[in-house]
Amino acid sequence: AQSVTQPDIHITVSEGASLELRCNYSYGATPYLFWYVQSPGQGLQLLLKYFSGDTLVQGIKGFEAEFKRSQSSFNLRKPSVHWSDAAEYFCAVAPTGNQFYFGTGTSLTVIP
Amino acid sequence: EAQVTQNPRYLITVTGKKLTVTCSQNMNHEYMSWYRQDPGLGLRQIYYSMNVEVTDKGDVPEGYKVSRKEKRNFPLILESPSPNQTSLYFCASRNLAGSLNEQFFGPGTRLTVL
Repeated sequence: AQSVTQPDIHITVSEGASLELRCNYSYGATPYLFWYVQSPGQGLQLLLKYFSGDTLVQGIKGFEAEFKRSQSSFNLRKPSVHWSDAAEYFCAVAPTGNQFYFGTGTSLTVIP
Repeated sequence: EAQVTQNPRYLITVTGKKLTVTCSQNMNHEYMSWYRQDPGLGLRQIYYSMNVEVTDKGDVPEGYKVSRKEKRNFPLILESPSPNQTSLYFCASRNLAGSLNEQFFGPGTRLTVL
């Protein structure tokens, strides 16, 4: 079965610390890969996407993600977290570009 | 302003009473999609549409219907709602031209079925 796994339900980091959110997927081929952010009471905003080329992808708000084919992973990183980054983060894959599968999300808390 | 709008934003209804949640986009996007978001489950795709009169099932289509008679509108229909359809629903749209473009999400519709 196709699946997207975000193993960390909740992460707490200090402001200014680095962040890595994990995402693993199970598909035969390399799918289209995405990270979205959802602030409380809001819709989803795209942070970054990958479908080919350089495996290190830069996104908005200082986020980046690295695709590792051997590990079927697409982890999201940020060198220095800001209090405004507190939100829920979703990894998503689209094997064909039409059907989308989301992970269960990682809730990020940022402490001062 | 480019946007996806959903109505209503909040709805409380009773089991079995047919309802429709509307979705409209003003970006001339070919692709539109519906998702439901539940705690601990993330977002799951219900239906999507590649263009007018073209719709396909997503991961959780049971109990839902959609139609795409106009490019800008993609209503979600619950013919006989049940409590397990209590959820937060999002509509999204994207341009199909070129490479895989960003999905734009609506603000969400919070549905409670009693």
